[in-house]
Amino acid sequence: EPEVTQTPSHQVTQMGQEVILRCVPISNHLYFYWYRQILGQKVEFLVSFYNNEISEKSEIFDDQFSVERPDGSNFTLKIRSTKLEDSAMYFCASSERDTKSGELFFGEGSRLTVL
Amino acid sequence: QKEVEQNSGPLSVPEGAIASLNCTYSDRGSQSFFWYRQYSGKSPELIMSIYSNGDKEDGRFTAQLNKASQYVSLLIRDSQPSDSATYLCAVNRGGGYNKLIFGAGTRLAVHP
Repeated sequence: EPEVTQTPSHQVTQMGQEVILRCVPISNHLYFYWYRQILGQKVEFLVSFYNNEISEKSEIFDDQFSVERPDGSNFTLKIRSTKLEDSAMYFCASSERDTKSGELFFGEGSRLTVL
Repeated sequence: QKEVEQNSGPLSVPEGAIASLNCTYSDRGSQSFFWYRQYSGKSPELIMSIYSNGDKEDGRFTAQLNKASQYVSLLIRDSQPSDSATYLCAVNRGGGYNKLIFGAGTRLAVHP
């Protein structure tokens, strides 16, 4: 069964360092998303991406965050200068259609720990 | 008012019983509704999607949608200990937005 894959599964970094989280969405999917979940809290939307551009972003997704689809398969989330409060599980998701009718499938997540 | 509200639980049911999970949402423009299951430390796993009023059944799971009341529910029949998890309700943001808004989840505990 096709699945969304994410790397790394866990990353530990120092405050102020840049981090890149990688995702390979399901191959025929056209819409891509990043969500995050701080420990014990709810899953929060960060950004959606379609047709090589951002279609939505939340207030959390400030100038420190960026996304890119550098080739036909990868979808990356970059955090330019990490803060302690960026520590969370980051989930990539993809869907065939937009959220009005499309089901989102999530990867296993990348746990980011900022020290 | 929270966009998607769920009771945090825990909802404790005996094995073999029906578990009933509820969710309300505030955006009348929402068009798609999803239930995800999340085990501790794992990612959300899609269980059901529902788009129109009424019931939708898939195996032991039934999703119910009432758009007039802005209410979605999930019934789990013949609950098993392996169903013990947090159940997340997710609703698309209406008005042309392309994102799902998640509730905080209801923790279900099925005891033998």
